[in-house]
Amino acid sequence: AQSVAQPEDQVNVAEGNPLTVKCTYSVSGNPYLFWYVQYPNRGLQFLLKYITGDNLVKGSYGFEAEFNKSQTSFHLKKPSALVSDSALYFCAVREDSGNTPLVFGKGTRLSVIA
Amino acid sequence: EAGVAQSPRYKIIEKRQSVAFWCNPISGHATLYWYQQILGQGPKLLIQFQNNGVVDDSQLPKDRFSAERLKGVDSTLKIQPAKLEDSAVYLCASSRPRIRGGTDTQYFGPGTRLTVL
Repeated sequence: AQSVAQPEDQVNVAEGNPLTVKCTYSVSGNPYLFWYVQYPNRGLQFLLKYITGDNLVKGSYGFEAEFNKSQTSFHLKKPSALVSDSALYFCAVREDSGNTPLVFGKGTRLSVIA
Repeated sequence: EAGVAQSPRYKIIEKRQSVAFWCNPISGHATLYWYQQILGQGPKLLIQFQNNGVVDDSQLPKDRFSAERLKGVDSTLKIQPAKLEDSAVYLCASSRPRIRGGTDTQYFGPGTRLTVL
């Protein structure tokens, strides 16, 4: 069965500094990997995904993520954090075959301090 | 294009009462999902529909939860009777299947926050 780990409950970063939100995964086959962001009282917004191809995936709002197969990781990054990036971030994974469900991590709260 | 619509946004009920949530997916999205998100946790899939057929309901507590998507578009999720532990945000999502030119990306509605007292 697939699983996702987000080892940090909270990440604090100063505005203008680079940010990283960590995610590791476990699947039997090839992974489809996703990052979503959730603002207060809002649903999840899609940021980016890895299906196949380049290991560095670029997404919305300047975010990017790097797929590392050997480390089974898919860390979310941004070169320069904004206060408006403060939110809850979820990593999710599913296998690439069939109708396997999307499994989410427990989320990481990002706080960007001005 | 309009996003996934859900109603109501908030609902407060007492335990043992019944409640229903409504979802209208993005136009053309054949796959519809209901998730439960308990505070401090990631969303957990309750049920997945492909058109009006159920693909996966293995995590749905069938003794009290039911869902339907009769015409392959809108869907309703019902809880009857509700328990205290059902307090959560119920999220609806939709996607266009790969076989129909989609990308499997799920797009989420704003959710319904349920409080059971």
